[in-house]
Amino acid sequence: VLTQSPGTLSLSPGERVILSCRASHTVRNNFLAWYQQKPGQAPRLLIYAASTRASGVPDRFSGSGSGTDFTLTISRLEPEDFAVYYCQQYGSSLSLYSFGRGTNLEIK
Amino acid sequence: QVQLQESGPGLVKPSETLSLTCSVSGDSISGSHWGWIRQPPGKGLEWVGIMKSSGTTNYNPSLKSRVTISVDTSKNHFSLSLNSVTSADTGVYFCARDPVDGYGHFDYWGQGTLVTASS
Repeated sequence: VLTQSPGTLSLSPGERVILSCRASHTVRNNFLAWYQQKPGQAPRLLIYAASTRASGVPDRFSGSGSGTDFTLTISRLEPEDFAVYYCQQYGSSLSLYSFGRGTNLEIK
Repeated sequence: QVQLQESGPGLVKPSETLSLTCSVSGDSISGSHWGWIRQPPGKGLEWVGIMKSSGTTNYNPSLKSRVTISVDTSKNHFSLSLNSVTSADTGVYFCARDPVDGYGHFDYWGQGTLVTASS
């Protein structure tokens, strides 16, 4: 089980934000990805393998962590960054892939 | 550029079978893993299952008894079948690619298709 916190976060453009994803069991080989989803759109891959930015993702997005605790940091929020963010693990013996419930990042 | 497009009925009656197809362009269906993810209205993402490049499948344990994913290499598309649907199966269904780099993530997604289970 992946637990994301907080459920909702209200911030202003220009601020720095750290989103948390905690796993109930060690994530195998740190196979942890982060996605951004805007209303009416498909999710967009941001980070994979805990810290590798996907192609075309701005460098204000960074991922870190290992084992059971992972974070996604946005160094300076842009207006287009307000969205829902999901973490996803791969390789659990319980479910090969699974997603967290998401963090809704909204404009303050 | 890899593109995925879901297609299928938008309305399914309870107890019947939901069937969707994902057409792939820009990549060979044989060269990657292909998955289905769904999203109930107003809720989060739920992994449904995956067809690996080897031809093996793996499903969400909570859906395993009702789900089948298959592939048609001649048409470069893959399909989802979910039987005995209930209202809990209502949602947007996305198809997506796992690029087989070993890291287990989805890099390309379809736009999603809304399926409503209702009489």
